[in-house]
Amino acid sequence: NAGVMQNPRHLVRRRGQEARLRCSPMKGHSHVYWYRQLPEEGLKFMVYLQKENIIDESGMPKERFSAEFPKEGPSILRIQQVVRGDSAAYFCASSRTRDRGVQPQHFGDGTRLSIL
Amino acid sequence: GESVGLHLPTLSVQEGDNSIINCAYSNSASDYFIWYKQESGKGPQFIIDIRSNMDKRQGQRVTVLLNKTVKHLSLQIAATQPGDSAVYFCAETPAGVDTADKLIFGTGTRLQVFP
Repeated sequence: NAGVMQNPRHLVRRRGQEARLRCSPMKGHSHVYWYRQLPEEGLKFMVYLQKENIIDESGMPKERFSAEFPKEGPSILRIQQVVRGDSAAYFCASSRTRDRGVQPQHFGDGTRLSIL
Repeated sequence: GESVGLHLPTLSVQEGDNSIINCAYSNSASDYFIWYKQESGKGPQFIIDIRSNMDKRQGQRVTVLLNKTVKHLSLQIAATQPGDSAVYFCAETPAGVDTADKLIFGTGTRLQVFP
């Protein structure tokens, strides 16, 4: 069952360290989305990427956060110099096309990031 | 501003009864809506979707109703089962090519099914 795969499932970092979160989309999907979720809240959009391109990063903090989706390999969400406020669950979703109603976004099970 | 730390609204339903979960969406220009189910420790799971040119869509045991006049979406679950216990989110996608299909999620409703 080749769903959206995220790793690690849990990540603990100390303040000031870097966090790297990985996402392998479903087979045949070339559109990747990253979302962030705080406890008891809905998911908040961060960034949308296609292979080698960032399409929309309107939800990304302007500093310390970056994302990439290389030609080969998983999509990476990178958080530099982490702070306690970065603690959250980060979810990745993928879709085959942009044709809404034909290919809804499918989500992975997330990475729970904890900052000590 | 954002509300942080609010408890999710909870709907408690007896097993076998029908459940109705409501959602008020924010953008009158949204043209596509999805309901997701999220179990503890997992990612959102697609349940059903609907385009804005429809007002009702049915799936297996679930029905989504869309009222564009009052910007209201509902999810009806027939014969609710213990396995339906989860948090349910509605999500909308504003129309337009510049929106990049990002999903805007509602705050969620926790469904508790008791025997």
